[in-house]
Amino acid sequence: NAGVTQTPKFRVLKTGQSMTLLCAQDMNHEYMYWYRQDPGMGLRLIHYSVGEGTTAKGEVPDGYNVSRLKKQNFLLGLESAAPSQTSVYFCASVAGVSNSPLHFGNGTRLTVT
Amino acid sequence: TQLLEQSPQFLSIQEGENLTVYCNSSSVFSSLQWYRQEPGEGPVLLVTVVTGGEVKKLKRLTFQFGDARKDSSLHITAAQPGDTGLYLCAPGPDNYGQNFVFGPGTRLSVLP
Repeated sequence: NAGVTQTPKFRVLKTGQSMTLLCAQDMNHEYMYWYRQDPGMGLRLIHYSVGEGTTAKGEVPDGYNVSRLKKQNFLLGLESAAPSQTSVYFCASVAGVSNSPLHFGNGTRLTVT
Repeated sequence: TQLLEQSPQFLSIQEGENLTVYCNSSSVFSSLQWYRQEPGEGPVLLVTVVTGGEVKKLKRLTFQFGDARKDSSLHITAAQPGDTGLYLCAPGPDNYGQNFVFGPGTRLSVLP
């Protein structure tokens, strides 16, 4: 079981470039989340999804878009990257409202120069 | 969104010392979770506290949920370098379908 897989692991972008981060889970989880973590800081929620075809804004959604076309995948897009988006991005998933914990991927480290 | 505060923000101690970190809110929670994040990895759940006044033990870690269910504490006895990491509190599972926002965390460093 792979769990939650994030692709890519590392990426360097120039200001204004675009990219998509992929989160894939093989646990048939309903809910998925994207967080960012700046150096020495905690997690901040960007967007989340409670099911295929649905998304919602979190704490810090500006500059990001997301899509959940398939239940197992949650994509995070940066249309025009800015240095302020330099961060480590974590994806998490959980099987709906249950007693299960959130399962996290190992993160994508993004640097915008 | 129910906001969680954590203190202290940073803590650096010597191996063998005891410590307590706190998670507080002005809101009442049906349950709270504690996660630990080690460097370079995603957070991993340590425990969920459900009942007001509940105490749960996980080896040298003791978790307590406040009687009013607005706060929680984590006590570590005889800290070891392997306890180093970011300790995050979060709402319980009934909040999963909403803005699921973690507390800001306590970054613990245990020096050998």
